[in-house]
Amino acid sequence: GQNIDQPTEMTATEGAIVQINCTYQTSGFNGLFWYQQHAGEAPTFLSYNVLDGLEEKGRFSSFLSRSKGYSYLLLKELQMKDSASYLCAVRDTGYALNFGKGTSLLVTP
Amino acid sequence: DTEVTQTPKHLVMGMTNKKSLKCEQHMGHRAMYWYKQKAKKPPELMFVYSYEKLSINESVPSRFSPECPNSSLLNLHLHALQPEDSALYLCASSQVGGLGANVLTFGAGSRLTVL
Repeated sequence: GQNIDQPTEMTATEGAIVQINCTYQTSGFNGLFWYQQHAGEAPTFLSYNVLDGLEEKGRFSSFLSRSKGYSYLLLKELQMKDSASYLCAVRDTGYALNFGKGTSLLVTP
Repeated sequence: DTEVTQTPKHLVMGMTNKKSLKCEQHMGHRAMYWYKQKAKKPPELMFVYSYEKLSINESVPSRFSPECPNSSLLNLHLHALQPEDSALYLCASSQVGGLGANVLTFGAGSRLTVL
């Protein structure tokens, strides 16, 4: 089974930086993913880590430490449109992803 | 074409009805998925098809019946549902094997209401 934890809600200011943490315990590990989901819409892929370290993609970066079962998503230069739910998901040895409960991020002016 | 298309977008059905949700992709993906998502909850895996064969069934009740008629289509047949089955049903697809297997592309979902 899998246990994936992330904060329920976060608030940050436009233009700021926010870090969303995710911890996990899994029986197998084949990668950690971050998805963004706006209300009423499908999740969209943001980033993927399978090796330890930092992956940077524009304003978004994701970090993984497999020994600690820990990841974070870093969002820089926050924009109002970044208000959404951010889902941490882990792939074990199968094809499918198992999602955490998501972090609802509110960006304020 | 980089999309997963789901129909219908909205469906209201009674507990005695039989209906189907449809999903289509033309990205050449050979793995397809059904997820169920309740309000303010994460998506929960229901079924996984790989090369048109069912590879994962997450103990889903038999009132949900998946079907994969070909590599581009995935259906979810619904019969005798309960009001608690009301949710957003998400279809996704991915490659099988290689780095592409790691990225799921989701459809916009079918919002189901069971009366």
